[in-house]
Amino acid sequence: DAGVIQSPRHEVTEMGQEVTLRCKPISGHNSLFWYRQTMMRGLELLIYFNNNVPIDDSGMPEDRFSAKMPNASFSTLKIQPSEPRDSAVYFCASSPDRGWYGYTFGSGTRLTVV
Amino acid sequence: DQQVKQNSPSLSVQEGRISILNCDYTNSMFDYFLWYKKYPAEGPTFLISISSIKDKNEDGRFTVFLNKSAKHLSLHIVPSQPGDSAVYFCAASETGNTPLVFGKGTRLSVIA
Repeated sequence: DAGVIQSPRHEVTEMGQEVTLRCKPISGHNSLFWYRQTMMRGLELLIYFNNNVPIDDSGMPEDRFSAKMPNASFSTLKIQPSEPRDSAVYFCASSPDRGWYGYTFGSGTRLTVV
Repeated sequence: DQQVKQNSPSLSVQEGRISILNCDYTNSMFDYFLWYKKYPAEGPTFLISISSIKDKNEDGRFTVFLNKSAKHLSLHIVPSQPGDSAVYFCAASETGNTPLVFGKGTRLSVIA
């Protein structure tokens, strides 16, 4: 298995632009998680899906952030409009079930908003 | 408010010595605890875990200790090797059925 695949690896965009981050989970994994890593807050959970359904989006910082999982093999995290404070590394992870067992992370997308 | 706290942003240790990374938590409902290791430009990878019914779990050079009354856990690496240089994240979960909550991480540097 290729693991969790995220794209792009790096994204530089101007403030106000729309940014879309993509994630392909491991085949057969039922849960997908989006995390954001910053120096100030470490790894914080933004949203997670179970069987393609959003379960908890309380970590999404603002309405500018949205996430979708149209099918079991694809998820997107969209920021519109982007702001410099959104600059961070965004990780996607998947697991066979809701819990911690088998959590596998992608390599992340480093987002820079200038 | 941080439910999982790693109060040491960085730690330097000489090769061959013991590395001790600490983690505190505030949520008494947490019952699974994990350590993840992260190299630059890679995602975090699972290192070792411990259930709340245990106070110690060992895997080769890595041992995790859990003190439930103090809400504290630690990761011991003996002996430390240069390849252990990475960021270590402490994580916790309630009932094993909820997403992981992570700390801010501790950057370990093992000096040859």
